Amino acid sequence: AQTVTQSQPEMSVQEAETVTLSCTYDTSESDYYLFWYKQPPSRQMILVIRQEAYKQQNATENRFSVNFQKAAKSFSLKISDSQLGDAAMYFCAYRILAGGTSYGKLTFGQGTILTVHP
Amino acid sequence: DAGVIQSPRHEVTEMGQEVTLRCKPISGHDYLFWYRQTMMRGLELLIYFNNNVPIDDSGMPEDRFSAKMPNASFSTLKIQPSEPRDSAVYFCASSARDRNTGELFFGEGSRLTVL
Repeated sequence: AQTVTQSQPEMSVQEAETVTLSCTYDTSESDYYLFWYKQPPSRQMILVIRQEAYKQQNATENRFSVNFQKAAKSFSLKISDSQLGDAAMYFCAYRILAGGTSYGKLTFGQGTILTVHP
Repeated sequence: DAGVIQSPRHEVTEMGQEVTLRCKPISGHDYLFWYRQTMMRGLELLIYFNNNVPIDDSGMPEDRFSAKMPNASFSTLKIQPSEPRDSAVYFCASSARDRNTGELFFGEGSRLTVL
């Protein structure tokens, strides 16, 4: 079974500083997507960044970047120049793209609550 | 294009009552997912459909839960009879079989409270 583990239930950062959220996953597949979703208090799920497993280059989206280590099955999110609006629950997620009965299935980690201090 | 639409946004009911949650996916999307979010268990995948066919319902907690997708534009999640432990936020999400994105688009969730 595919599992996603976020070992940091809570993290905090000072405004304008950098913070890294950790995620590891377990899979025997070679073709998949990884995502980071943000859930602010409004509870809306917002895509932050995505990474295709076949791409070696780490994805970046403005202040957000990932460190994707495929062999180690690690997918961390780095937030640079943190802003008050970044405060939210962050979920790491894995989506199967290989053939088989679980094609398309997306599994979330437990989430990390990020607090940003002014 | 409208996003994923869920109804109701909030539902308060008494134990033993039937609850029906509804979802309209984004037009053209062929995958539909139902998730449940609680403080204790996080985001759990209950069931997902591809082209209106259930693919994996292993996350459905018990026989009290059922989900249907009669057509490409509508799905329901039904709980009968409801229990207090079913209180949670239920999310519906959809996606297209598109290798360029792979992302799920989420509705705003239905908050269910069972008294």
